[in-house]
Amino acid sequence: AQKITQTQPGMFVQEKEAVTLDCTYDTSDPSYGLFWYKQPSSGEMIFLIYQGSYDQQNATEGRYSLNFQKARKSANLVISASQLGDSAMYFCAMREGVVGYSTLTFGKGTMLLVSP
Amino acid sequence: KAGVTQTPRYLIKTRGQQVTLSCSPISGHRSVSWYQQTPGQGLQFLFEYFSETQRNKGNFPGRFSGRQFSNSRSEMNVSTLELGDSALYLCASSLAKGTSSDEQFFGPGTRLTVL
Repeated sequence: AQKITQTQPGMFVQEKEAVTLDCTYDTSDPSYGLFWYKQPSSGEMIFLIYQGSYDQQNATEGRYSLNFQKARKSANLVISASQLGDSAMYFCAMREGVVGYSTLTFGKGTMLLVSP
Repeated sequence: KAGVTQTPRYLIKTRGQQVTLSCSPISGHRSVSWYQQTPGQGLQFLFEYFSETQRNKGNFPGRFSGRQFSNSRSEMNVSTLELGDSALYLCASSLAKGTSSDEQFFGPGTRLTVL
């Protein structure tokens, strides 16, 4: 089974609007971390936001927030006030709580296009 | 602080050749992970090195190998290249705190084309 599922291959949004990118995950480990990365056409993966499984509040980083619904195993990324520079691939990733391992498991990604 | 660097950025090889990619992690980071990214398979974990030891390995054939040096720099090697090895190879480093919040910082990647 897929550990990270991103069901939206592509999303379109107009500049200044908010957009939600979906991510569901599958793990039986009580300790895990969820990450969102942005990958522009240049290829480099840029860290956006992190949510830990024990965190009580949803993570926020500037225009990015994570809508964490633990019971539903979902960790959706919300981008407020989209900008043209937000056009990129977005990946949801998970690290399960195996102590000492840094490995991330990634979803297939969502391509976001922001139009003027 | 300098970020993760990867060399070379672009590489063109022919089938059957071998290739070595290099990754220099952020200063102080002891863990280096390698990922392969292709349009069909997405991002797949290759292996992770920590203190010069491979401590985690993905599901790739033995043609893919790596190593880490005492200064945490890492190299990966692919022998007997196949057309399907054409991909973006990403290296990531982390402090390896041993917690789920351990963030990985990625380099710009090496784009390998096999002809």
